[in-house]
Amino acid sequence: GAGVSQTPSNKVTEKGKYVELRCDPISGHTALYWYRQSLGQGPEFLIYFQGTGAADDSGLPNDRFFAVRPEGSVSTLKIQRTERGDSAVYLCASSLNAGDYGYTFGSGTRLTVV
Amino acid sequence: KQEVTQIPAALSVPEGENLVLNCSFTDSAIYNLQWFRQDPGKGLTSLLLIQSSQREQTSGRLNASLDKSSGRSTLYIAASQPGDSATYLCAVRGDQGGSEKLVFGKGTKLTVNP
Repeated sequence: GAGVSQTPSNKVTEKGKYVELRCDPISGHTALYWYRQSLGQGPEFLIYFQGTGAADDSGLPNDRFFAVRPEGSVSTLKIQRTERGDSAVYLCASSLNAGDYGYTFGSGTRLTVV
Repeated sequence: KQEVTQIPAALSVPEGENLVLNCSFTDSAIYNLQWFRQDPGKGLTSLLLIQSSQREQTSGRLNASLDKSSGRSTLYIAASQPGDSATYLCAVRGDQGGSEKLVFGKGTKLTVNP
């Protein structure tokens, strides 16, 4: 596609539920990143994929968070047993390759846990 | 741990004014620095990417400078327009081997009044 697509754009869920957030990167981009942005803050790194493998997952806050990219294209961020503190905008970005290239960000998924 | 600070947090200027946004970072061992624009409810748009070996980058009315040794970058916007109103985010990428994550500041919210 022309840009990074994230679905859904908005998600409201009840505390304790499981959610999946999807990211479709730009075609041909091998690097994919997930960030989380809380209100009034800058984005915070969660996880980075190079191809199918998670090259750096040091930003995942705890084991309730997990992300996959099985075919090296679409990625899914999964959150188990959601908590109100998980409410934020989840941003996905892709890059032609890790290295000197800039990122292209999607519009994000706004997750609200009630 | 890298920390990025942006000053001011908010700025309101009349149309046509030239302005400077500031970004500072605590660890000078960076690979590159990137300036982004974020419109309300939207993702991030990359404006300028400066490699650690560069001093500045220009795109249209935007000019970004980098002083790596002092841990500072500035974004200069010439002849500001109401359409420039947005939040501007600065992000640095560390130069540790394999580190691909960006560390963001909290942003400067710019309002350009007609």
